[in-house]
Amino acid sequence: QLQLQESGPGLVKPSETLSLTCTVSGGSITSSSYYWDWIRQPPGKGLEWIGNIYYSGSTYYNPSLKSRVTISMDTSKNQFSLKLNSLTAADTAVYYCARRWGYEGLHYWGQGTLVTVSS
Amino acid sequence: QSALTQPPSVSGSPGQSVTISCTGTSSDVGTYNRVSWYQQPPGTVPKLMIYEVNNRPSGVPDRFSGSKSGNTASLTISGLQAEDEADYYCSSYTSSSTWVFGAGTKLTVL
Repeated sequence: QLQLQESGPGLVKPSETLSLTCTVSGGSITSSSYYWDWIRQPPGKGLEWIGNIYYSGSTYYNPSLKSRVTISMDTSKNQFSLKLNSLTAADTAVYYCARRWGYEGLHYWGQGTLVTVSS
Repeated sequence: QSALTQPPSVSGSPGQSVTISCTGTSSDVGTYNRVSWYQQPPGTVPKLMIYEVNNRPSGVPDRFSGSKSGNTASLTISGLQAEDEADYYCSSYTSSSTWVFGAGTKLTVL
C-alpha cells in the first residue's frame, strides 16, 4: 500500500524559505508515468495546486507561484521536496503531497502538514 | 490561471440527487477530459471520487457520477446519504500543462 508522509517545520518566519519533504513508501518515485504533486489549503479555504514533478524529473508549477517554487526529487531516499521562498502570512496553509498516475486524479495523499508563517 | 467556478453550496435531503457544477474555459475543462472530483469531509484529507470526467476509483460508490458538456463539468450524487456531507472540489488539467482546482462546494444533507 502506497504511503506518503510530509515533514518539515511547522513555523517559518516571513521572508524566509519553506522546505518540505514527502517520503514515499510502498512504491518508487521513479516508477513510470507517475507525477508527484504538492497542494496546499489555507485554513478554512480551498485547495490550491502548487506544482508537480514527473518521474523523469520534469517539473510543472502553478503560474502564480512559479517565481517562488522549486520541486525536486531524491531518488536515493525515495523522497520529493518543495521549496517556497519569500514567505508571507498568505502562505500559511496545510501542505499536502500526493501521487498522480498520468492524467488521472490524485489517488494517494499524505496526511498534510500545517505550516504557519509568523514572526 | 483562474480557479474553476463552483457554486459555494448545495443541499439535498437523504435519498435525493444533487449536482455540483464546475465551469472552466476552453483552456482547461472545455478541451481536456482530465477533470477530477475530490470529497473532503471536515478535518480530513481530500479523497478522489471521479477522474477523467466520469471514471470512479475502486471503492467509490456508483452513486457518484461525472459528466461534461462544453466548458462545464458536473458531479452528480444520487441517493444522497448523510455521510456524503462534505466539501467537494473539481480539478482540471490546463493548456499550460498545469492543474487548477475549483473553489469548492459545501454539500449539506438536510
